[in-house]
Amino acid sequence: QKEVEQDPGPLSVPEGAIVSLNCTYSNSAFQYFMWYRQYSRKGPELLMYTYSSGNKEDGRFTAQVDKSSKYISLFIRDSQPSDSATYLCAISYNQGGKLIFGQGTELSVKP
Amino acid sequence: EAGVAQSPRYKIIEKRQSVAFWCNPISGHATLYWYQQILGQGPKLLIQFQNNGVVDDSQLPKDRFSAERLKGVDSTLKIQPAKLEDSAVYLCASSLDGDSTYEQYFGPGTRLTVT
Repeated sequence: QKEVEQDPGPLSVPEGAIVSLNCTYSNSAFQYFMWYRQYSRKGPELLMYTYSSGNKEDGRFTAQVDKSSKYISLFIRDSQPSDSATYLCAISYNQGGKLIFGQGTELSVKP
Repeated sequence: EAGVAQSPRYKIIEKRQSVAFWCNPISGHATLYWYQQILGQGPKLLIQFQNNGVVDDSQLPKDRFSAERLKGVDSTLKIQPAKLEDSAVYLCASSLDGDSTYEQYFGPGTRLTVT
């Protein structure tokens, strides 16, 4: 069983839609949860990180962690064509721990 | 602030040849990472340096891959000899220190094709 699993998509939505991106993980010991965005031919960039359970909001983006279900989500409100990218979830056991990435979900937002 | 620099951006080699990639991290970042990203997959950590010491190289195929970070700044990753399955994007990242692994800054990557 992989440590973190992510639906690869691709996911195509119309501009303005609410997007939900999800990952599941296998070990309840994971404590840090990140979302990275990767544009084509670019390196990943950190969008958000959360520690333990709960929600975190930053503008149109909301990250959610449900440790009881071992499930993490990223919601994008009012999606824009500029949000078209691959979204990678990443998990870590501790603050200085190795990042384990999901395989990424390719998102396309159509004007 | 300048980002993480990598070169070359693209490289095509034949199997059994050798290749080297270079990375210059963000100034002041003590921790440097090399990742391998195969098409359709997430990045996989190959090696992590803290200054010029190795923190984690558990997933580095040491029979063919080597990496060094001289003077705790620039780093090179070498593959010798290359295999077809090494075709991937090699990403370099840096973070302020070893406690900031959640906030890594990535370079644009080197796309390697082995024929």
